[in-house]
Amino acid sequence: EIVMTQSPGTLSVSPGERATLSCRASQSVGSTLAWYQQTPGHAPRLLIYRTSTRATGIPARFSGSGSGTEFSLTISSLQSEDFAVYFCQQYSDWPGTFGQGTKVEIK
Amino acid sequence: QVQLVESGGGLVKPGGSLRLSCAASGFTLSDYYMGWIRQAPGKGLEWVSYITGSGNSVISADSVKGRFTISRDDGRSALYLQMNSLRADDTAVYYCARGTPLVTAWGQGTLVTVSS
Repeated sequence: EIVMTQSPGTLSVSPGERATLSCRASQSVGSTLAWYQQTPGHAPRLLIYRTSTRATGIPARFSGSGSGTEFSLTISSLQSEDFAVYFCQQYSDWPGTFGQGTKVEIK
Repeated sequence: QVQLVESGGGLVKPGGSLRLSCAASGFTLSDYYMGWIRQAPGKGLEWVSYITGSGNSVISADSVKGRFTISRDDGRSALYLQMNSLRADDTAVYYCARGTPLVTAWGQGTLVTVSS
C-alpha cells in the first residue's frame, strides 16, 4: 500500500498570504494525485486532480504541482473560506490512499 | 446539483449491525463507481469499499472483508453499506463517495459509534 505523508501538520497563515502544502508518496504515483478540502460541518470537496487540474468551480488561486513522489498545493492569497483541512490522495491504485491532512489556520 | 446524503449511523454495541444508506441526486447513479470512505476520530481517510457502475464487481478493504457488504439500487438512486460484526475500531464518520478511487463528490457523512 502506498503511504502518503503530508507536511506540515498545521500551517498558520494570515489572510491574503500565500500557503504551500506538501505531500509525499512512498513510491511513484506518476501524476495521479488529488487534493481535497474539508471545512467543519461541510462535505469534503475535490480541489485538484491529476496533480494540477482544478476541479469545476475551484478558484484560480488554488494550484497544484509535482510528479512522482513529491507534490504541493499552493493557495496564492488566502481567503477566509480557505481556512480548512486539506488532504492529498494518490489514486494510481486501490486503495487510493490519503495523507493525514494539513490544517490551514488563521495566524 | 450533485448531492449525496447519508443516513443510518448511530450507536451500536460490539458485534452488532447497522445499515448505512446514501441517497444520490443530481446525476445518474449507474454512470458511476460508488463507494464508502471512513474517518476514525483524529485519524485520516480510509477507503472501505466500492462497487462498479454495473454493480458486478465489488472491492473491499481487508479490514472489513467478510463483515461489510456494499450494494446499490440505481432505480432508487441509492447506495448501501451493510455492516455486521461491528468492532470498536469501526467507529468513524462514514462518507458516501462518487468515483473510485478519485472522489468527485462526497456526502456530509454519518457517524457510527461502536461501544458497549
